[in-house]
Amino acid sequence: EVQLLESGGGLAQPGGSLRLSCAASGFTFQNYGMAWVRQAPGKGLERVSAIHGSASSSYYADSVKGRFTISRDNSQNTLNLQMNSLRAEDTGVYFCVRFFTSAIYYGMDVWGQGTTVTVSS
Amino acid sequence: DIVMTQSPLSLPVTPGEPASISCRCSESLLHRNGYNYLDWYLQKPGQSPQLLIYSGSTRASGVPDRFSGSGSGTDFTLRISRVEAEDVGIYYCMQTLHTPGTFGPGTKVDIK
Repeated sequence: EVQLLESGGGLAQPGGSLRLSCAASGFTFQNYGMAWVRQAPGKGLERVSAIHGSASSSYYADSVKGRFTISRDNSQNTLNLQMNSLRAEDTGVYFCVRFFTSAIYYGMDVWGQGTTVTVSS
Repeated sequence: DIVMTQSPLSLPVTPGEPASISCRCSESLLHRNGYNYLDWYLQKPGQSPQLLIYSGSTRASGVPDRFSGSGSGTDFTLRISRVEAEDVGIYYCMQTLHTPGTFGPGTKVDIK
């Protein structure tokens, strides 16, 4: 069964850091692009960052550029998101998402259940 | 900045009846390869979003054929031929041509 399991969410102070991880199973991880999509409480969706299957390319939303870093370990089937200089507006549910190819443009076909990040003093 | 709009934002539906949602992008989503870079997602209550349509009109694996996508360039439509009770939720269009991609505001579909 294809599965994505996020971890690492929690409470952080403004200016603090958190590291999210996503454990992938049931598919050949390195063959698929991956992304993080977030949803603020009661709000819509925002794709925060994405990384190619080979980790050869990645991109970030302007709202997190310079503060967040996406990475992947294809030997461990793990996707990570290092979040620094956190702000209140980073609060939300963060979904780990798989693209249906190694490319990172369209077709996010598998979603995790999400992990909640709360930034508050 | 690329702006995605959807209409209506709220759509009460009757089971068995058709329904449609419009999505408009401030820039063309037609790539030189001939594909439109527009996805549709459905987030059912309490669940993670799920992919319905990609490339404007291609149904994702396992998506019932009552869902169809059409359009090109800047204007797109998601149609449900006969709404079922399980189709309630928030429908999002998303442009995927210009990174990092932009979701529309969402259309909330519920049963009348």
